[in-house]
Amino acid sequence: AQSVTQLGSHVSVSEGALVLLRCNYSSSVPPYLFWYVQYPNQGLQLLLKYTSAATLVKGINGFEAEFKKSETSFHLTKPSAHMSDAAEYFCAVSERNDKIIFGKGTRLHILP
Amino acid sequence: GAVVSQHPSRVICKSGTSVKIECRSLDFQATTMFWYRQFPKQSLMLMATSNEGSKATYEQGVEKDKFLINHASLTLSTLTVTSAHPEDSSFYICSAGLGGARSYGYTFGSGTRLTVV
Repeated sequence: AQSVTQLGSHVSVSEGALVLLRCNYSSSVPPYLFWYVQYPNQGLQLLLKYTSAATLVKGINGFEAEFKKSETSFHLTKPSAHMSDAAEYFCAVSERNDKIIFGKGTRLHILP
Repeated sequence: GAVVSQHPSRVICKSGTSVKIECRSLDFQATTMFWYRQFPKQSLMLMATSNEGSKATYEQGVEKDKFLINHASLTLSTLTVTSAHPEDSSFYICSAGLGGARSYGYTFGSGTRLTVV
């Protein structure tokens, strides 16, 4: 069965510092992988997705993620954190029937 | 781009009553919509897959008779929480897509905060 594991339920970085949110996946078939962002009391917004094309995926708001099959990872990065990046981030995987399964989420805190 | 509208955004109901939540795809037709439930500070749990013109497919452990899903048209799916109890209080989110996750990734509604008192 497909699943994702997000390492670290909370991550704090200083404004202007590198953001790294970790995600490892488990899938019996080549997966499609996603990162979503959620602001308080709102729905989810798709940041980026990997659909078996380029392994380095660029998304909105300066975020990018790299698919590494050997490490079963799909970590999310951003070179320079901004205060507006503070939110909940979810890694997700889709394997079959187009269902998307989410990780438990990582709360990103930005320190001034 | 694809927009999904969810209504209402917040609802408070008395225990034992039923509540209906609507999920609409505004500028596209969605043959499949998904319903998720999110507890405070937790992840989204897939409840069911809503299929236009046919019965919904529920995930294991989700009560079909309690969470009624109707997908009568290509732009509207509804989730009805029947005989609601305080433990049903949660954040419910729907999603829909043009061609499924593999083609587009799904667009999510803004969610409905249900409080049962």
